[in-house]
This record gives sequence, structure tokens and C-alpha cells, in this order.
Amino acid sequence: AQSVTQLDSQVPVFEEAPVELRCNYSSSVSVYLFWYVQYPNQGLQLLLKYLSGSTLVKSINGFEAEFNKSQTSFHLRKPSVHISDTAEYFCAVSGSGTSYGKLTFGQGTILTVHP
Amino acid sequence: DGGITQSPKYLFRKEGQNVTLSCEQNLNHDAMYWYRQDPGQGLRLIYYSQIVNDFQKGDIAEGYSVSREKKESFPLTVTSAQKNPTAFYLCASSIDRAGTGELFFGEGSRLTVL
Repeated sequence: AQSVTQLDSQVPVFEEAPVELRCNYSSSVSVYLFWYVQYPNQGLQLLLKYLSGSTLVKSINGFEAEFNKSQTSFHLRKPSVHISDTAEYFCAVSGSGTSYGKLTFGQGTILTVHP
Repeated sequence: DGGITQSPKYLFRKEGQNVTLSCEQNLNHDAMYWYRQDPGQGLRLIYYSQIVNDFQKGDIAEGYSVSREKKESFPLTVTSAQKNPTAFYLCASSIDRAGTGELFFGEGSRLTVL
């Protein structure tokens, strides 16, 4: 069995400030890790993913996340946020060998960027 | 454009009534999923289907039913047996059978039981 814990339910931040959204997971097998973003009343969109290789993965809009196996974490960071980054962010895990993208999601972190 | 279409976007239901949520995809994906989203609880898997005419229960299947008669379609029925059906329902699909790929989501259906 696997689980995901997002340590902050809400993160308020001012525009152009750095932000970190924290995610810890537990799993008895090797994992694949994902961050998804959800804008109000919409579905989720993939932001970035770690499958293998470099532990630092980046998105096209400036977010990055680092897979830390020893700390079982996959924190999401951005050095300078914009108003448009306001959304809910979900961390998710899929155990390698788990069939067909059966993901386990965290509870979500609402990021609110203030001007 | 390719994608997943969910309908209706908003739905109201009286207690004791069954309701069916539609999910159609034109991405040619084999796997489809239904998730339920409640505030502060993330997404929980209701049912998933890896291939036509086959589907499996997820973590919270009680009170729900599905069918997969066509590759493109994966409707979800919320039955009167579901004790707390008010929620946001998300349909997703995936092409990658190894669990390493991206899930593509529809825009969701918000069900309110009056």
C-alpha cells in the first residue's frame, strides 16, 4: 500500500516570492511521483513527474521538484510566483508495477498568490 | 481537439434517485478512471477500466456502478445506495499501461443531492 501526505493545506504567498509545497510519501516499492495542478472548477493537469534518472525535474512554467528517496519526499518549488499560479496542487504516487496509472493522491495544497 | 468530455457539468439530484455521469474520450486511450474529489481529501479512485468490457473497483466503489462497452466511453452511475454522493467527480484516461504515464482529466461534474 502507498500513501501521500501534503503537509500544508493552504499556502499564502506574495507575488514574486519563492514558494515550497511539501509532499511526503510512503510505499513498499519503487515509486513514480507526480505533481498535478487544478484551477477552479476544472480538471487536473500534469505539472511534472519523476520516473527515473535525474532527481530534479522541471516544468515549463518555472516549477521544479526534487525526489529525495532517503526522506521519501517530493517537494515542489518555484523561485518567484505569479498571480496566475494561484491554484490547488496535488502530489501523487504510483508504485512501479502498479497497473494502468492507478495513482494515489495527496489531500491537496491551495496556493494563493497575493499582489 | 483531442480530450475528455464530461457531462453534465452541474447536476442536482433528489435523494433516492440514480444519476449517470457521462465520460467520453477521443484520445484512443485504453485505460479510463473515475475519481471523486471532496474538499481537503484529495482524489479517491472509484472505478477504473483497463480495456473494453472489463473494469475494477477502486478504493470507494460502494454505491457506484460503471460500464465500458466502448473504448471511448466510461459512464458512472451514482446509485441511491451511495450515502453521501454530493461531490465533484473527475474522469481521466491514460495511454500508458505501466503506470508511468500522464493521466488526462476531464473538467469534472459537480453533483449535488438535495
